[in-house]
Amino acid sequence: SQKIEQNSEALNIQEGKTATLTCNYTNYSPAYLQWYRQDPGRGPVFLLLIRENEKEKRKERLKVTFDTTLKQSLFHITASQPADSATYLCALAPSGGSYIPTFGRGTSLIVHP
Amino acid sequence: NAGVTQTPKFRVLKTGQSMTLLCAQDMNHEYMYWYRQDPGMGLRLIHYSVGEGTTAKGEVPDGYNVSRLKKQNFLLGLESAAPSQTSVYFCASSYSEDTEAFFGQGTRLTVV
Repeated sequence: SQKIEQNSEALNIQEGKTATLTCNYTNYSPAYLQWYRQDPGRGPVFLLLIRENEKEKRKERLKVTFDTTLKQSLFHITASQPADSATYLCALAPSGGSYIPTFGRGTSLIVHP
Repeated sequence: NAGVTQTPKFRVLKTGQSMTLLCAQDMNHEYMYWYRQDPGMGLRLIHYSVGEGTTAKGEVPDGYNVSRLKKQNFLLGLESAAPSQTSVYFCASSYSEDTEAFFGQGTRLTVV
């Protein structure tokens, strides 16, 4: 069956360091992958989308990589700040069919001052 | 520009009662979605719509019905609420299936 795996353990890092979050998937041929941020009590907010034929996308301090051979996406936040503390969700859409994305369970990031 | 607005924000229902959650978007998006989010389960798709008058089942559609009579509104109905439907419900919309989705603020529903 199709699976999307994000680390259920929170990632704790010091301010100024680079945070790296992982999204692994199995039994998917993804058309694209998205990353969202979710703060407690709020709806997810879109951050980045990367397509199957793209290796890397950047937006300000954010970088996403997509390795369809390893079946993995890495999400990096450089020069992390306490305000980056949130839960980060990845979402994959399969190629063929409806292209409606399925979400992973998310990983909590805590940036300590 | 309000984005995606969900009504109500909180609701407590008794088992067996019915209710309708309303989602409204003002971005002229074709696609609309209803998700539920439970602790440790992430966001799971209940139903979605690819345009006015259309609906389709998602991952967990049982116990829910939806309607999209107007492009800007997507209604989620619970005909006979069960405690297993206690959850936070999120509505979202997008221009197409492969563009960013905009989420509402959520509805916290408790069924007792």
